[in-house]
Amino acid sequence: NAGVTQTPKFRVLKTGQSMTLLCAQDMNHEYMYWYRQDPGMGLRLIHYSVGEGTTAKGEVPDGYNVSRLKKQNFLLGLESAAPSQTSVYFCASSPRGDEQYFGPGTRLTVT
Amino acid sequence: AQSVTQPDIHITVSEGASLELRCNYSYGATPYLFWYVQSPGQGLQLLLKYFSGDTLVQGIKGFEAEFKRSQSSFNLRKPSVHWSDAAEYFCAVSNAGGTSYGKLTFGQGTILTVHP
Repeated sequence: NAGVTQTPKFRVLKTGQSMTLLCAQDMNHEYMYWYRQDPGMGLRLIHYSVGEGTTAKGEVPDGYNVSRLKKQNFLLGLESAAPSQTSVYFCASSPRGDEQYFGPGTRLTVT
Repeated sequence: AQSVTQPDIHITVSEGASLELRCNYSYGATPYLFWYVQSPGQGLQLLLKYFSGDTLVQGIKGFEAEFKRSQSSFNLRKPSVHWSDAAEYFCAVSNAGGTSYGKLTFGQGTILTVHP
């Protein structure tokens, strides 16, 4: 039981490039979330999903898109990366929208 | 709107000393409350949670927390700190329940340093 996994662990992008971060969970959880963590700002919710095929905006959705085509996967896309998107990205999942279980994170640098 | 305040950005304690990390929340209804711990370069690990019932909750690694509605607080405690407890600790409040999606709002975090 791997829990929540994230791919890749590290990535460096140039401004304007695109990429997709993959989150996978093997706990059959309905809810999944994407957060970003920045120094002094804690964790902020980007997008979330309450079930397969659903997505919704969180606190800081601009510049990101998501998809939940399969229950176990939640993808976060950056269409045109900007330096302001340099951050550590965490995915989480939850069985009922209560306690959340986090992945190990993806450290993204945009130059 | 829900919010969480962790008044202490950085706390230093000696190994074996007791620990209390403060957390104050703002939420209109009965909150779901959590404490998470994050070691450097790692993800967040759930230490404990409060949903309802007994206001003193036990968690992993010997941690406990007490929910005090009158003070809007959910402070984390440990009677004797170990060097391996050095990490960053986050308090969080959730709007989970009913048809909510479980929005987690985090505090800014408290960095714990443990001296030998």
